[in-house]
Amino acid sequence: NAGVMQNPRHLVRRRGQEARLRCSPMKGHSHVYWYRQLPEEGLKFMVYLQKENIIDESGMPKERFSAEFPKEGPSILRIQQVVRGDSAAYFCASSPTDSSNQPQHFGDGTRLSIL
Amino acid sequence: AQSVTQLGSHVSVSEGALVLLRCNYSSSVPPYLFWYVQYPNQGLQLLLKYTSAATLVKGINGFEAEFKKSETSFHLTKPSAHMSDAAEYFCSRSSNTGKLIFGQGTTLQVKP
Repeated sequence: NAGVMQNPRHLVRRRGQEARLRCSPMKGHSHVYWYRQLPEEGLKFMVYLQKENIIDESGMPKERFSAEFPKEGPSILRIQQVVRGDSAAYFCASSPTDSSNQPQHFGDGTRLSIL
Repeated sequence: AQSVTQLGSHVSVSEGALVLLRCNYSSSVPPYLFWYVQYPNQGLQLLLKYTSAATLVKGINGFEAEFKKSETSFHLTKPSAHMSDAAEYFCSRSSNTGKLIFGQGTTLQVKP
């Protein structure tokens, strides 16, 4: 069974460019969560999506960041006009239900570097 | 506000010694709690979870944690550290919407 797949593993962008991060959840999982890990910090929640719906985006910056989880294909976290402060590791996690007692399964992350 | 606090950002133990990583949560209702481990350049791997069944929870790799409501704690322990246990450990709780709230993390160093 494939786990949560994220690509690319490493992404380098120049300031002002766009970054697209992809996440394919585990088979049978329809709930996807995105987290950001800044250097020397823990993970911070960004957004929670279920197929075609954004359930909770309370952790998303108001500008430049968007996320989607289409009916077909992976979930995408999109960052427009990147700035140095966007440099971080971005993790995707999935779960089979929205139940709070279900552990989330994490991908290996995308490490975004902004030049 | 719901939060998770990990006491000690770095913990160093000798190989074979007891490992104790501290975690406290704030909540008026006992939450669901999780410990995850992160090895360099990897994602998070679930060690164990507390979901209101037994208060002493056993996980993988010889780790266990005890839920203490009176102390609002969920400390992680392992009787004897191995070199391979060196990693970063995160305590977390789930919210009503299922999102996880993480502590700041504790880096465990194991000395030979």
